[in-house]
Amino acid sequence: LVLTQSPATVSLSPGEGATLSCRASQNVGYYLAWYQLKPGQAPRLLIYDESNRASGVPARFSGSGSGTDFTLTIRNLEPEDSAVYYCQQRSHWPPSFGGGTKVEIK
Amino acid sequence: QVQLQESGPGLVRPSQTLSLTCTVSGGSISSGGDYWYWIRQSAGKRLEWIGRIDSSGNTNYIASLKSRVTISIDTSKNHFSLRLESVTAADTAVYYCAREGGPYEGWFDPWGQGILVTVSS
Repeated sequence: LVLTQSPATVSLSPGEGATLSCRASQNVGYYLAWYQLKPGQAPRLLIYDESNRASGVPARFSGSGSGTDFTLTIRNLEPEDSAVYYCQQRSHWPPSFGGGTKVEIK
Repeated sequence: QVQLQESGPGLVRPSQTLSLTCTVSGGSISSGGDYWYWIRQSAGKRLEWIGRIDSSGNTNYIASLKSRVTISIDTSKNHFSLRLESVTAADTAVYYCAREGGPYEGWFDPWGQGILVTVSS
């Protein structure tokens, strides 16, 4: 099962919104999560089971979709949102990750 | 809250064995139902799951590395370890440990901050 993320990179200004896509080669139901990775920091679980925010994650992060097409939306971008975002599925063994989308804040 | 921290050498010679330890703090590694993972990311590549272990010592490994990987657990020290034998430059990566379980059953949380391991002579 392959997860394809797009775009590879997005460059936006603070206050703008970002829409990140994750497409699965097979149906994964709602078994999809999103992680945020910053250099030198522990990766952070943002969204699990497609649309549930992990504890402490700001409400401007939201997940949607089902089956094969998923979206991570980040509203009102802040400088601290600069990171690489990965989707991950656990519907099919073994768990697998997408290639990531880098979000740059201008 | 549970925290994970990787430790080990940052440089390994080709054909040698890579050994890393993940120390768990703020909680018990023996918590029922949790799995403890090693995940890596090579430069320019996606995150790759290496293997996992539970508190009873049951393991699963990714097929491509199965012949070279051993994951073990020491509940008395609250840590688990990774051994990767016969390394090559292709094993150069940031290695993360992570928990699958806790309040987000089935998902990886938390993670360690990662440790860069370079395979070079």
